[in-house]
Amino acid sequence: DTGVSQNPRHKITKRGQNVTFRCDPISEHNRLYWYRQTLGQGPEFLTYFQNEAQLEKSRLLSDRFSAERPKGSFSTLEIQRTEQGDSAMYLCASSAGHNNSPLHFGNGTRLTVT
Amino acid sequence: AQSVTQLDSHVSVSEGTPVLLRCNYSSSYSPSLFWYVQHPNKGLQLLLKYTSAATLVKGINGFEAEFKKSETSFHLTKPSAHMSDAAEYFCVVSGASNYQLIWGAGTKLIIKP
Repeated sequence: DTGVSQNPRHKITKRGQNVTFRCDPISEHNRLYWYRQTLGQGPEFLTYFQNEAQLEKSRLLSDRFSAERPKGSFSTLEIQRTEQGDSAMYLCASSAGHNNSPLHFGNGTRLTVT
Repeated sequence: AQSVTQLDSHVSVSEGTPVLLRCNYSSSYSPSLFWYVQHPNKGLQLLLKYTSAATLVKGINGFEAEFKKSETSFHLTKPSAHMSDAAEYFCVVSGASNYQLIWGAGTKLIIKP
């Protein structure tokens, strides 16, 4: 079980720059999720894919955020024109195809915008 | 609508003593409930889940939780705390779909030597 893999683990960027994060889910999982977590809070849902289709996006996901899962395997989350408020841990999770199957999380990418 | 309340933001216990982390939920239908654990600078790991089978659910690392519909509770317990249990614990209730997970604010478990 290779688990969910996220890269990079840490990213420090200057305000206004673009950043891209990658998530490799568990290979047999067709569902993939992105969450954001700030210090002392639980994860906040950002977006969800079933295979390559992006089925749901949170209102938290502004126009500067875009996520893709082009072949239904790995996913990327891009943030354009980063702002200091984007500093957070970005978590990726995957799950099997049936409802209420548990989510398996990666270790996250910690973004710091200076 | 679903909601989840973790009643304590911090719980401190001595090593070797029992652990109780409290969670109350609200749901308009039969929910699925989960406990996740997060160690510092790590991702979230599933401890256990309840999905309308046995009301007493056993998880990893000696944790268990009991679903009590009459009390709308899903408290997490462990008979004897270990130093490695120090982490943040999240109670989660599901909505109609996986992505509709409602997360509690978390309880930080502190283990005193």
